[in-house]
Amino acid sequence: GPKVLQIPSHQIIDMGQMVTLNCDPVSNHLYFYWYKQILGQQMEFLVNFYNGKVMEKSKLFKDQFSVERPDGSYFTLKIQPTALEDSAVYFCASSLGLNSDYTFGSGTRLLVI
Amino acid sequence: AQSVTQPDARVTVSEGASLQLRCKYSYSGTPYLFWYVQYQRQGLQLLLKYYSGDPVVQGVNGFEAEFSKSDSSFHLRKASVHWSDSAVYFCAADKVRTGGYKVVFGSGTRLLVSP
Repeated sequence: GPKVLQIPSHQIIDMGQMVTLNCDPVSNHLYFYWYKQILGQQMEFLVNFYNGKVMEKSKLFKDQFSVERPDGSYFTLKIQPTALEDSAVYFCASSLGLNSDYTFGSGTRLLVI
Repeated sequence: AQSVTQPDARVTVSEGASLQLRCKYSYSGTPYLFWYVQYQRQGLQLLLKYYSGDPVVQGVNGFEAEFSKSDSSFHLRKASVHWSDSAVYFCAADKVRTGGYKVVFGSGTRLLVSP
């Protein structure tokens, strides 16, 4: 079936640097999501995005986080600057409509050192 | 606050045995309920979902789940597991809301099927 691709699968970065996580959603999907999963904990909602705008964000979506999807390219999550507590697996998902099933990517494992 | 609890972090069963993975939710009203599976190095895949009606819902690969409003539970079951069922299983819940819905996940249960 259609897939959501996340690039890179792993990223190690020095604290304070910027990182961009890339997500290639299913081609005809319109809604995009980022989730964060710290090791051993549940996945937690960060943000959802539609029509070029953030629709909802959680309190985990700090000021250092931003999302965009310029011109239908990758849906990106940027963290600037990174902090140690940003180490986690970040999952991207997309859906066709508001009530449609999600398609998830396999995650980007981010380690901030 | 909305929450989903999976009390078992790890479950080990023998191939061919029956399986139950537990899930409890805490929501005002009745949420939409989901079970997802994540195989190694892959994204989450939807196994089944419950919106309303028959409390027992069938999913892919012989999985089913039963909704219980009185118990606030949505346990996943399979009559006979196969080694390929080894994966992490996530229970999830949400309510549809204006502006798109976001799913609340449990912490996951890692299932190991032994030969």
